[in-house]
Amino acid sequence: DTAVSQTPKYLVTQMGNDKSIKCEQNLGHDTMYWYKQDSKKFLKIMFSYNNKELIINETVPNRFSPKSPDKAHLNLHINSLELGDSAVYFCASSQGHGYTFGSGTRLTVV
Amino acid sequence: GENVEQHPSTLSVQEGDSAVIKCTYSDSASNYFPWYKQELGKGPQLIIDIRSNVGEKKDQRIAVTLNKTAKHFSLHITETQPEDSAVYFCAAKLQYNQGGKLIFGQGTELSVKP
Repeated sequence: DTAVSQTPKYLVTQMGNDKSIKCEQNLGHDTMYWYKQDSKKFLKIMFSYNNKELIINETVPNRFSPKSPDKAHLNLHINSLELGDSAVYFCASSQGHGYTFGSGTRLTVV
Repeated sequence: GENVEQHPSTLSVQEGDSAVIKCTYSDSASNYFPWYKQELGKGPQLIIDIRSNVGEKKDQRIAVTLNKTAKHFSLHITETQPEDSAVYFCAAKLQYNQGGKLIFGQGTELSVKP
């Protein structure tokens, strides 16, 4: 069983479209995250949720809207996609210190 | 806010040699320092971590050292093998960090040549 699973793994879409990425964790962790990894491999936090409540929003554009229907799921919806949104998006979860990451979603905006 | 600097950005070693990656952090309130390994096409995986009340931790061929005074921490890999080739990230977390945010270094691409 995959601990943190993201879908889809690859996403190619045109500018202006709206897309969603789904994340589920079966570890029973209370906290979930979205991180963005740019072309230089830099990992930057976007959002953090604890028990379905938004804790961190790191000055991410309003076009990005996370949703957590329960503590095992954290989805990311992106409106009006732009070329600069192309990146790998990682979902992660934690209970205490250590993170468990998903395998990532490579988003390409053309 | 916290800032983590990581060096070098790339590192190439011969199989069997040691590799050392160094990080510095800015906020003395940070108390947790994990290291992640990211293989191609995969998510980062936790390989070792250290808390601020410990100076050194070892797990088989990997070890991490922490110097709180200098705000430095390092990853040491001994007897490197080709499967150690990956991108390695250090990170830091503040003691009173609501939300559990990790601040990552810029990453080091390690290449182990057979």
